[in-house]
Amino acid sequence: DAKTTQPPSMDCAEGRAANLPCNHSTISGNEYVYWYRQIHSQGPQYIIHGLKNNETNEMASLIITEDRKSSTLILPHATLRDTAVYYCIVRVGYGNKLVFGAGTILRVKS
Amino acid sequence: DVKVTQSSRYLVKRTGEKVFLECVQDMDHENMFWYRQDPGLGLRLIYFSYDVKMKEKGDIPEGYSVSREKKERFSLILESASTNQTSMYLCASRLTGATEAFFGQGTRLTVV
Repeated sequence: DAKTTQPPSMDCAEGRAANLPCNHSTISGNEYVYWYRQIHSQGPQYIIHGLKNNETNEMASLIITEDRKSSTLILPHATLRDTAVYYCIVRVGYGNKLVFGAGTILRVKS
Repeated sequence: DVKVTQSSRYLVKRTGEKVFLECVQDMDHENMFWYRQDPGLGLRLIYFSYDVKMKEKGDIPEGYSVSREKKERFSLILESASTNQTSMYLCASRLTGATEAFFGQGTRLTVV
């Protein structure tokens, strides 16, 4: 599975959009980009995934660059409850292995 | 809702003890995973299983073994616990072909 690089931490004002970047320059054509988050004292929670098109669901939007070497997770109106560690993962389609990196600590501040 | 249940939230064991961490899921998922989480290192995959009695090593299998005798249950075994195995352990499950993995709440293991 391709390796990902994320900034260790970011701050965001409450009510503003939080944009979390991820680099995955060695991604293969059949690898998907997944995002999970982990709120303190809980297990990780799935947010969104995509292959090459931009995706949106009730939690977030995922923007993948045309060359697929990077992506951005967007939380459109961040709240204090969005404070968490956000993990960007790439893996083959429905392959079994799910490998996490160190993630980005997002702090939403009032 | 899918539920992944880990048997203990907190556990304290002595060095050299054999330790069993149990994980049960209730949605008939084929795939189950064990991770450990340490500050600054994120989640690291120890072992995973894609079917009953089937297992594959993850990135850090040394010092651990696993057992999957029934589809719903995946056990992580520390044959002889050591202080460097003090960590948060997370279990997850996923249906083959599905995109989302579901995690348990974690077991914080301290080895003294």
